Amino acid sequence: SQTIHQWPATLVQPVGSPLSLECTVEGTSNPNLYWYRQAAGRGLQLLFYSVGIGQISSEVPQNLSASRPQDRQFILSSKKLLLSDSGFYLCACRGNWYGYTFGSGTRLTVV
Amino acid sequence: EDQVTQSPEALRLQEGESSSLNCSYTVSGLRGLFWYRQDPGKGPEFLFTLYSAGEEKEKERLKATLTKKESFLHITAPKPEDSATYLCAVQASGGSNYKLTFGKGTLLTVNP
Repeated sequence: SQTIHQWPATLVQPVGSPLSLECTVEGTSNPNLYWYRQAAGRGLQLLFYSVGIGQISSEVPQNLSASRPQDRQFILSSKKLLLSDSGFYLCACRGNWYGYTFGSGTRLTVV
Repeated sequence: EDQVTQSPEALRLQEGESSSLNCSYTVSGLRGLFWYRQDPGKGPEFLFTLYSAGEEKEKERLKATLTKKESFLHITAPKPEDSATYLCAVQASGGSNYKLTFGKGTLLTVNP
């Protein structure tokens, strides 16, 4: 079965600082990978997805970016954080079935 | 555009008081409908996948059903440990991205 590792679990960053969140996957190869954000009072919003190394699709225009340097590594980045970037960030992987396995998430607070 | 609406937003039950959560959806061809459970500060945990109208799935006190327009998550004789946010998501058929569109969830609280 798949296991998703996400870190850090919590992060407090000042406005204008850079961001790097990492997600790694075990137990599968060539998975579809996803970054979602969950803000208070809102549902899970798909930010980026990747169907393979170096292949990134963006769902929502914003100051975030994603990269997939290795088959089982997915990175979410920002050069300058905004207050509106605060939220709960979740990495997900699609394995041998149509649904997802989720990581444990990163709580980001931009101050 | 695929849309998922969950109701109610919040539900408070007494232990043993059965009820149902609703998930209404619009999608251009349904590949699958998914139910997840999410505890505070954690990632969603998979519960069920339903693929076609009339399908039902059960797990302990939970039963999920599917029609062409909505899905219900029935909770029978709930216990306090069933308290969580329940998320519904749909996946459209076609393509290789397998994106899930989520509703905002129903926050269930079961009091002892």
